[in-house]
Amino acid sequence: DTAVSQTPKYLVTQMGNDKSIKCEQNLGHDTMYWYKQDSKKFLKIMFSYNNKELIINETVPNRFSPKSPDKAHLNLHINSLELGDSAVYFCASSQKRAHEQYFGPGTRLTVT
Amino acid sequence: QQQVKQSPQSLIVQKGGISIINCAYENTAFDYFPWYQQFPGKGPALLIAIRPDVSEKKEGRFTISFNKSAKQFSLHIMDSQPGDSATYFCAATPETWDSGYALNFGKGTSLLVTP
Repeated sequence: DTAVSQTPKYLVTQMGNDKSIKCEQNLGHDTMYWYKQDSKKFLKIMFSYNNKELIINETVPNRFSPKSPDKAHLNLHINSLELGDSAVYFCASSQKRAHEQYFGPGTRLTVT
Repeated sequence: QQQVKQSPQSLIVQKGGISIINCAYENTAFDYFPWYQQFPGKGPALLIAIRPDVSEKKEGRFTISFNKSAKQFSLHIMDSQPGDSATYFCAATPETWDSGYALNFGKGTSLLVTP
């Protein structure tokens, strides 16, 4: 059973489009995250959610809107895609205060 | 601002050798220091982690050394194997709600273990 899953794995789209990435975890964790990994492999936190509540938003443009319909899901919607949004996006989850974060397989977004 | 500095950027080690990756931090609020391993096309996976109340933690061939006064920690991979070839990330986080428990990552070290 996959612990943290993301769909799609690859996403190729044109500038200006709107797209969504879905994330689901079956670990029973109550904290979920989105991280962005750029072309140099640097990983940076974007959002952190606990029990469906946004905890932090790390200066991410408001074109990015996370939505957590329940504790097991954290989706990422991106409006008006730009070339600079091209990256690999990772969803992760953890049990609050445990810090052991489990990462999904990533979604490689390419904006042309 | 890079909160965790990692070196070297890349490392080549012969099979059976010791791989050493170093990290440094400034934020004294950090109290959890994990290392993640990432293979191409995969998500990062937790390898080993340490808290500041201990100076060393060992799990199999992997050891974290932690120097609280110097604000440095390092990963040692003993008897390095070709299967260890991957990118390694150190990270740090404070155990606080307002941090979101988010990990602050180093820039990664690409390790190649040659046969």
